[in-house]
Amino acid sequence: NAGVTQTPKFQVLKTGQSMTLQCAQDMNHEYMSWYRQDPGMGLRLIHYSVGAGITDQGEVPNGYNVSRSTTEDFPLRLLSAAPSQTSVYFCASSYGTLDEKLFFGSGTQLSVL
Amino acid sequence: AQSVTQPDIHITVSEGASLELRCNYSYGATPYLFWYVQSPGQGLQLLLKYFSGDTLVQGIKGFEAEFKRSQSSFNLRKPSVHWSDAAEYFCAVGDSNYQLIWGAGTKLIIKP
Repeated sequence: NAGVTQTPKFQVLKTGQSMTLQCAQDMNHEYMSWYRQDPGMGLRLIHYSVGAGITDQGEVPNGYNVSRSTTEDFPLRLLSAAPSQTSVYFCASSYGTLDEKLFFGSGTQLSVL
Repeated sequence: AQSVTQPDIHITVSEGASLELRCNYSYGATPYLFWYVQSPGQGLQLLLKYFSGDTLVQGIKGFEAEFKRSQSSFNLRKPSVHWSDAAEYFCAVGDSNYQLIWGAGTKLIIKP
């Protein structure tokens, strides 16, 4: 049982480059989300989805796009990377109701130079 | 807007001593409350959650937390810590829009 799989684990980008962080889960979870974690700030929600074809913005959506074409996959796209997007990114999923626990991926450490 | 405050950036406790990590929240309605732990190399894991009922909730690894509405608090406790409890602990509050607001975290250091 793979759970939540994030790729890549590490990435270095130059300012202005674009890239996609991949997230896949094999638990048939309806709810998926992306967070960024910065020192001293905890986790901040970027985007989330409550099912295939449905996405919504979280606390810090600017500079990021998402789509949810299947239940399993929830990729996060950086359109034009900026140094302020240097962070650790986590994908998480759950069965769908807020009282359900989140299952987290192992994270992607992104540096933008 | 809802918010979560974890007043202690880091706490140092001797192995075998008791632990209390503080969490205060700001939310208009009855919140969904969570404690997660982040251990190096192990990602984030749910310790316990509260959304209704008994205000004292039990979690994994011997942790418990008490919801106090009058104090807007949800403090995490453990009677006797082990070296393996060294990690960063996050409190989070959820709203009805599937959004979780997280505290900044408390890093727990265990003295041998």
